[in-house]
Amino acid sequence: RKEVEQDPGPFNVPEGATVAFNCTYSNSASQSFFWYRQDCRKEPKLLMSVYSSGNEDGRFTAQLNRASQYISLLIRDSKLSDSATYLCVVNTNAGKSTFGDGTTLTVKP
Amino acid sequence: DAMVIQNPRYQVTQFGKPVTLSCSQTLNHNVMYWYQQKSSQAPKLLFHYYDKDFNNEADTPDNFQSRRPNTSFCFLDIRSPGLGDAAMYLCATSRGLAQDTQYFGPGTRLTVL
Repeated sequence: RKEVEQDPGPFNVPEGATVAFNCTYSNSASQSFFWYRQDCRKEPKLLMSVYSSGNEDGRFTAQLNRASQYISLLIRDSKLSDSATYLCVVNTNAGKSTFGDGTTLTVKP
Repeated sequence: DAMVIQNPRYQVTQFGKPVTLSCSQTLNHNVMYWYQQKSSQAPKLLFHYYDKDFNNEADTPDNFQSRRPNTSFCFLDIRSPGLGDAAMYLCATSRGLAQDTQYFGPGTRLTVL
C-alpha cells in the first residue's frame, strides 16, 4: 500500500463546475500537509497548506481529518487555467516528504 | 527572479557514464532536497540536507550521491547511470522541515542512451 494515495482521476469537468480531490495517508507520524499543483513538464508549485481547522483561499478549500488520515481539496467555479495535476504532499517532522501520484484535472469550455 | 536554479535543464549521458546535476538557491534556506520524477509518477524523495546534515532515504540506490559544499549549492551525482535512471530530477529548498513550503527548481531532464 502506498504511503499517500490519491484519487486516480483523471477528472474532466466543464468550466464552472465544482470538483473535489481526496487523499489518504498511512503514516500516523505525519505532521504537515500540502496541496501542490504541477503543470505539464513543469515543477510542482505550492497551492496551499492544509490546516487542521480547514482553510480557504479564494475558490480553493482544503480540509484535514487527522483521525481518518484524510485530506481533501475542493475547487469551486473551475476555470480553464485550473487544468493541471494536483499533488497531495505529506511531511513528517524528520523531513520525510511523500508525494501522492497526483490527480489530473482537465477543465473544458 | 529565479530562486531555485537547476543546471543543466536537459542532460544527455551514456549508459554508465557519471553525471552531475547542479542546484543553487538564493533563498538562504536550510534544507535542500533532491527528487526523482518519472513520467506520470509522483516525485520521489532521494535525500535531503538540513544544513550540512545529510539524510538519505532508505530506498535510494547507492548509485545516487549528493554533495552540499555550501548553503547555496547542492549537487546530485549519478555514478553509473542506467536506462532506468532516465527521469526528471527536481531540486527543492525549504527554510525548515515539516511545516515549511518547498520551493522547486525547474528540474533537469536526464536522458540515458
